[in-house]
Amino acid sequence: NAGVTQTPKFQVLKTGQSMTLQCAQDMNHNSMYWYRQDPGMGLRLIYYSASEGTTDKGEVPNGYNVSRLNKREFSLRLESAAPSQTSVYFCASSEAGNQETQYFGPGTRLLVL
Amino acid sequence: SQKIEQNSEALNIQEGKTATLTCNYTNYSPAYLQWYRQDPGRGPVFLLLIRENEKEKRKERLKVTFDTTLKQSLFHITASQPADSATYLCAPGGYSSASKIIFGSGTRLSIRP
Repeated sequence: NAGVTQTPKFQVLKTGQSMTLQCAQDMNHNSMYWYRQDPGMGLRLIYYSASEGTTDKGEVPNGYNVSRLNKREFSLRLESAAPSQTSVYFCASSEAGNQETQYFGPGTRLLVL
Repeated sequence: SQKIEQNSEALNIQEGKTATLTCNYTNYSPAYLQWYRQDPGRGPVFLLLIRENEKEKRKERLKVTFDTTLKQSLFHITASQPADSATYLCAPGGYSSASKIIFGSGTRLSIRP
């Protein structure tokens, strides 16, 4: 099992450009999450999907959109990137919707110039 | 607002000693608390979960305590090894998926030989 995979590993964008971060899990988990991690700030929840077909806002959703494409895949889209979105993005999944025991992907490092 | 506090300064411990990390929370009554390990350039990895009705939990050289009166969790690594060097995140969680899990910013632990 690959666990949670994320693409790309690293991306540089110019202000105003758009991109989609991809995430997939092969553990048959119901819930999936997107976090961003900034120095000294810890992990902050952007969006989550408790189950296929549902999505909900987390702590810092502004500037992002998500799509739960199917049970395996959960994508994060930046429509118009801003320098404040420079961060490391982690996707995670858990078996149930109560956010226990989350399995994280390797992360995507995003730099917005 | 809910707040999670972990030692922001790195903790340096001599190999073989017990490392103790602290997690304090305010304005929050979590149903459980999780601890994760994060190595540089990687996603967090789940270590232990302790519920509000449990005072202590152990896994090999790891021990976690949860004091709901003090609003504090302690994470201990006994017989520490250089391979234990990493950042450790605490993450209190709620009763349902509507109670978003919150991650602390982590404590960096360094074990010197």
